[in-house]
Amino acid sequence: SQKIEQNSEALNIQEGKTATLTCNYTNYSPAYLQWYRQDPGRGPVFLLLIRENEKEKRKERLKVTFDTTLKQSLFHITASQPADSATYLCALGGAYNNNDMRFGAGTRLTVKP
Amino acid sequence: ETGVTQTPRHLVMGMTNKKSLKCEQHLGHNAMYWYKQSAKKPLELMFVYNFKEQTENNSVPSRFSPECPNSSHLFLHLHTLQPEDSALYLCASSQIPRSRGLTDTQYFGPGTRLTVL
Repeated sequence: SQKIEQNSEALNIQEGKTATLTCNYTNYSPAYLQWYRQDPGRGPVFLLLIRENEKEKRKERLKVTFDTTLKQSLFHITASQPADSATYLCALGGAYNNNDMRFGAGTRLTVKP
Repeated sequence: ETGVTQTPRHLVMGMTNKKSLKCEQHLGHNAMYWYKQSAKKPLELMFVYNFKEQTENNSVPSRFSPECPNSSHLFLHLHTLQPEDSALYLCASSQIPRSRGLTDTQYFGPGTRLTVL
């Protein structure tokens, strides 16, 4: 069966450091992978998308890598700030139907001042 | 604001009550979704509507009944719920991807926090 694992339930880092979150998947061939941010009591907010033929994507302090051989995506936040504290979800999708997007359980990131 | 609104934001109901959750999207999308989010679990897709037609029902109990009168509005009717149904219920919308590689990035509402007593 399809499985998506975000291998850290929680991650604590110091302000200014780079946060690295991992998303691994099995039994899936996504056309793309997305990262969302979710604050407590709110819905997820889209951050970045990376396609199966792309290795790396950047947006301001965010960087995402996608290795379809390892079936893994890494999500980096450089120069982290306390305002980056949130839960980050990865989501895989992109087959012909829009009912096959699957989310990981998320990693809760806390950036300490 | 993501362009997707949900009401109410919080709901407490007894197991014999009947209530409805409402979602509205202002993004011109043609697909809408209901998700359930329980603590420490992945988002669970419940229902998908494309062009107002239901295309997915992931083995959701019949005590949850969706309704999509048009592409902008989505309801979730609740009746005789169980305490284990307590969760955050999220609505989302997107464009329908027409082929592999076109994205269906979903835009989420703020959710309804449901507590069943």
